[in-house]
Amino acid sequence: AQTVTQSQPEMSVQEAETVTLSCTYDTSESDYYLFWYKQPPSRQMILVIRQEAYKQQNATENRFSVNFQKAAKSFSLKISDSQLGDAAMYFCAYRGYNTDKLIFGTGTRLQVFP
Amino acid sequence: EAQVTQNPRYLITVTGKKLTVTCSQNMNHEYMSWYRQDPGLGLRQIYYSMNVEVTDKGDVPEGYKVSRKEKRNFPLILESPSPNQTSLYFCASSLLSAGDSADTQYFGPGTRLTVL
Repeated sequence: AQTVTQSQPEMSVQEAETVTLSCTYDTSESDYYLFWYKQPPSRQMILVIRQEAYKQQNATENRFSVNFQKAAKSFSLKISDSQLGDAAMYFCAYRGYNTDKLIFGTGTRLQVFP
Repeated sequence: EAQVTQNPRYLITVTGKKLTVTCSQNMNHEYMSWYRQDPGLGLRQIYYSMNVEVTDKGDVPEGYKVSRKEKRNFPLILESPSPNQTSLYFCASSLLSAGDSADTQYFGPGTRLTVL
């Protein structure tokens, strides 16, 4: 069975600095999708970025980028120029190629200090 | 506006009192799913549905029921709630994916349930 591990329960960063959130996963599949979701205090689940495993190029969305290491089964999220609004819980999630089910990690709570 | 709605947003109830959390989407999505979120455990899938009248268990289905009589609605039913079902619940929907056409899942706003 696939698993997703987020080993950092909490992280903090100063405004305008860069922070990296870690995620590792375990799977025997060769094709799959990986996601980062943001959950602010409103509790809404917001998709931040997605990565297709068959693409070697790392996904980027404005200040958010990933470092996808397929062989190491690692999928970290880098937030550049951190803003106060980035403070939230971040979840890493895995989805198999032929399924719609998401498997989530336990989350990393990010604090942003002025 | 494309959205997934859930009701109620907050609910406090007592052990054994049947309740239903509704979920509705306006995007004509085939796939709908329920997750529960607990501290230190992330989100875990309870049940899912791939179309009308097609439902199946997720990872933590015990104590829950679902139905899919219409494409847009996917209610979660707790027939005899217990305190260990106190949690934050999310409904999600997406177009049914096939291989490399993985669609984004849209999440509802969440329902905070407390069972006393």
